[in-house]
Amino acid sequence: DAGVIQSPRHEVTEMGQEVTLRCKPISGHDYLFWYRQTMMRGLELLIYFNNNVPIDDSGMPEDRFSAKMPNASFSTLKIQPSEPRDSAVYFCASRLGTGASGGYTFGSGTRLTVV
Amino acid sequence: AQSVTQPDIHITVSEGASLELRCNYSYGATPYLFWYVQSPGQGLQLLLKYFSGDTLVQGIKGFEAEFKRSQSSFNLRKPSVHWSDAAEYFCAVGGITGGGNKLTFGTGTQLKVEL
Repeated sequence: DAGVIQSPRHEVTEMGQEVTLRCKPISGHDYLFWYRQTMMRGLELLIYFNNNVPIDDSGMPEDRFSAKMPNASFSTLKIQPSEPRDSAVYFCASRLGTGASGGYTFGSGTRLTVV
Repeated sequence: AQSVTQPDIHITVSEGASLELRCNYSYGATPYLFWYVQSPGQGLQLLLKYFSGDTLVQGIKGFEAEFKRSQSSFNLRKPSVHWSDAAEYFCAVGGITGGGNKLTFGTGTQLKVEL
């Protein structure tokens, strides 16, 4: 199994530009999570999906952020327009099963720098 | 609301010495507890998890953790630390219903190993 695959690994963009982060979960996993990691705020859950349906997006910072999961093998997190304070490492994780017992597998993350 | 406290931001130990990283959680029901490790520039790797049963759980790389319900703690231990253990360690809590579907992370403990 290739694990959770995120792309790109690094992204540098100018303020105001649109940024799209991509995630391929582990095949068969029915939950997908997007986390953001910063020095100031640590690891924050942004949104999670169950069977491709968004369940809880209360962590999405503002309307500039949007996430989609068009099918079971692909999800995107989009920031439009991007701002310097969006600079962070964005992690995708997937899990099989209900409750937290299914075990979460994290991707290697996308390091986003907005200049 | 669920929360996790890791009171030690930084810990330094000598190679070969024992290690204990502290974690206290708040959760309204039976918690699922996790320890993850993150090396620089990498994603999060699961060390161990507790769901039920024996309160002493064994993980990878020689780590173990003990769940103490009365103290709301889930401390991570290792009897003899290796230089390669230097990394950041995160405790996390999740659950079986509702918001417990998502993991809440502590702020992390940065471990430095002196040779």
